[in-house]
Amino acid sequence: DAGVTQSPTHLIKTRGQHVTLRCSPISGHKSVSWYQQVLGQGPQFIFQYYEKEERGRGNFPDRFSARQFPNYSSELNVNALLLGDSALYLCASSLNGMANTGELFFGEGSRLTVL
Amino acid sequence: RKEVEQDPGPFNVPEGATVAFNCTYSNSASQSFFWYRQDCRKEPKLLMSVYSSGNEDGRFTAQLNRASQYISLLIRDSKLSDSATYLCVVRIRNSGGYQKVTFGIGTKLQVIP
Repeated sequence: DAGVTQSPTHLIKTRGQHVTLRCSPISGHKSVSWYQQVLGQGPQFIFQYYEKEERGRGNFPDRFSARQFPNYSSELNVNALLLGDSALYLCASSLNGMANTGELFFGEGSRLTVL
Repeated sequence: RKEVEQDPGPFNVPEGATVAFNCTYSNSASQSFFWYRQDCRKEPKLLMSVYSSGNEDGRFTAQLNRASQYISLLIRDSKLSDSATYLCVVRIRNSGGYQKVTFGIGTKLQVIP
């Protein structure tokens, strides 16, 4: 069975540009969440979506937005890129985003470099 | 104060040693607790959930102390393959069903032959 897939795996952008990252969850999983991991730090929570509705938001500026599609895949959009947005962006899926327990299954991430 | 605090290490231990990691969290309303493992340049993977009663999985034991807002992970008989970063994770859900997941900075473990 396919795990969580993310695309692209690596990308380079310049300041001020816009980026769209994509994520396909494990089949049957209805919840997708996004994390930013800067080198040497733990992942930081950006968004969670469950059944196409936003169910959680971290402390990120409005330049960050996301959505979930009817097939439960998701996009993360970042506008007006800053150098500090350079990071590994991780997507995680879980079976039931509303449950208190529930394992997060991570994709391998999209590594964004902003020049 | 950070929401989830961990000692980043590194912890360098010989094979066969017992090593313990600690984690503290600031929000007393936190509801779920986990340890994730992350290998170098790889994605995090669930190691174990953490319960108030304590739980064990082979060489790994996790404990939660809600009164002290403290989580621990004990690894016995360390193996070279245990070398990784161990991430403490806390999840909180409010009455509206909104969730927030917070990861610690991670504690790096290096098991030495």
